[in-house]
This record gives sequence, structure tokens and C-alpha cells, in this order.
Amino acid sequence: DAGVIQSPRHEVTEMGQEVTLRCKPISGHDYLFWYRQTMMRGLELLIYFNNNVPIDDSGMPEDRFSAKMPNASFSTLKIQPSEPRDSAVYFCASSLGGVRGYTFGSGTRLTVV
Amino acid sequence: AQSVAQPEDQVNVAEGNPLTVKCTYSVSGNPYLFWYVQYPNRGLQFLLKYITGDNLVKGSYGFEAEFNKSQTSFHLKKPSALVSDSALYFCAVRDQAGTALIFGKGTTLSVSS
Repeated sequence: DAGVIQSPRHEVTEMGQEVTLRCKPISGHDYLFWYRQTMMRGLELLIYFNNNVPIDDSGMPEDRFSAKMPNASFSTLKIQPSEPRDSAVYFCASSLGGVRGYTFGSGTRLTVV
Repeated sequence: AQSVAQPEDQVNVAEGNPLTVKCTYSVSGNPYLFWYVQYPNRGLQFLLKYITGDNLVKGSYGFEAEFNKSQTSFHLKKPSALVSDSALYFCAVRDQAGTALIFGKGTTLSVSS
């Protein structure tokens, strides 16, 4: 298995632009998580899905952020409009059930200038 | 609410010496506890987990962790550190009712030769 695949690896965009981050989870995994990593706040849970349904989006910072999972093999995290304070590394992770460990993707490093 | 504390931002040890990375947690009921490692520009990798049973858990790369319920701790240990162990280490917790892991802020381990 290729693991959790995220794209792009790096994204540089101007303030106000729309940004879409993509994630392909491991086949067969029923949970998908989006985390954001910054030096100041560490790893923050943004949202997670179970069987493609959003379960908890309380970590989404504001309405500019949205996430979808149209099918079991694909999820997107969208920021519109982007702001410099959104600059961070965004990780996607998937798992089979909640007790086992997660498998993380390599992350997308987002820079908003 | 669940929370995890990693009291040390950085731990420095000499190669060959034992290492300990500390973690304490707060959760209602019985915890599920995890350790992950992150190398530069990479996603997080699973090291080990405690769900139930023996308080001493063995994981990847010679690491182990001891669950101490009375002290609400789950410290990561290794008898003999390697330079290649230098990385960022995260402790994480969830309660039995939840699914998403809550991560500590991370501890940078630096092993000198």
C-alpha cells in the first residue's frame, strides 16, 4: 500500500486566494483526520470523518475552512480566502477503527504571503 | 476534556545513554495512549500504544513506554540512545468514548555522538 497520499507537498499562495489540499487515505480505512501543525500551537485536530461522514468539525478555525469527503478514497480541505496566519503544515491521517494507531501522510506545507 | 502535557520542549542525551521523554495526560475513564515520532519534513510515524494489559509496552526501534495510572503518566524510554533517534516525539491520548487523538506539543530529542 502506498500509504496516505497528500498533495501538493508544498503550496505558496497569495493572501485572499483559494487553497485546496487533497488527501487519499489507505484503502479500507474508515476514519480520516485533518490536523494542522504550527510551532506555536503544535498539532491541532481540525476535523474528522467516519465512513465519509463528518463527525466533529469543532477544530475548524473559522468559516473560511471547509472539508469534504465525497467518497472513501478522497478528501479535500479548502481555505477560502486564505490569510498569512493559515501558514502551517497540514496533515491528513487515516485509521481502521479508532483504537488502532493512525497512518499519517507526509503533509502539505502551506505558505500564504 | 482530554489533554496531554509534554513538559519538556527538548531533551538532550549522549549516545549510548538511556533516554526518557515525559508525558502526562488527563482523560475521563480509561485512556488509550500513543507515541509517535516525526523526522524532519516527514509525517508522524507510529511507535507504540497502550490500550489495556501490561503497563510496560514495547514498540518500534527499541522504544518502550510505561503506563502509570496513579501518576497519569506514559513516559517514553529507551535503554541506549542512538544519534538516529534524534527527532520530534509526540504523545497522544483519547478516551474510550472518543475517536480522535489529542496530541501533546511535542518534545525534540537530540542525541549527541
